[in-house]
Amino acid sequence: DGGITQSPKYLFRKEGQNVTLSCEQNLNHDAMYWYRQDPGQGLRLIYYSQIVNDFQKGDIAEGYSVSREKKESFPLTVTSAQKNPTAFYLCASSLQGAGNTIYFGEGSWLTVV
Amino acid sequence: AQSVTQPDIHITVSEGASLELRCNYSYGATPYLFWYVQSPGQGLQLLLKYFSGDTLVQGIKGFEAEFKRSQSSFNLRKPSVHWSDAAEYFCAVTPVNDMRFGAGTRLTVKP
Repeated sequence: DGGITQSPKYLFRKEGQNVTLSCEQNLNHDAMYWYRQDPGQGLRLIYYSQIVNDFQKGDIAEGYSVSREKKESFPLTVTSAQKNPTAFYLCASSLQGAGNTIYFGEGSWLTVV
Repeated sequence: AQSVTQPDIHITVSEGASLELRCNYSYGATPYLFWYVQSPGQGLQLLLKYFSGDTLVQGIKGFEAEFKRSQSSFNLRKPSVHWSDAAEYFCAVTPVNDMRFGAGTRLTVKP
């Protein structure tokens, strides 16, 4: 089945550690996105990529990094510089261009302990 | 700057009652508008979207939305709510190459 796969679903991290969230899609979409979701704040854009080997910062990129070496994959690294990383992270993808529907993965919960 | 506002954080309706969730956007031109639904701990599912043409858009699960340019609104409606509609609803706009979301409205359905 076509879709977006995020892993792991649940992740615990100690303070000071970097963690990487995986996102893979088999929809042949050019564009991929990472959003962070906190209660009462909706979804906030972290990074997005319109094409392989290129990506742009969203509204809250500080403390995060991404790579886009393959069309299907867009991993997100939450670095130790991110001061409040505990959140629900959503990966998404779409065809390139304004107005295309964005499709979401099931999300990953990150908790800092 | 482009923005989306959902004025109601939480709405409670009785099962079988009608529903209207409000969404207002701020954008210079007519944007592409979307409504998504999210069950707890899950990703978002598209309910419907508006690009152009008929201002009344039909979606899945019996939902519809009406685009009103004069009011910069894109409100979501359902004539009769079912208990399974309890979820969080997000309005979104795509000005250019990304998508901006409202803060969401949580819907509770009373039996």
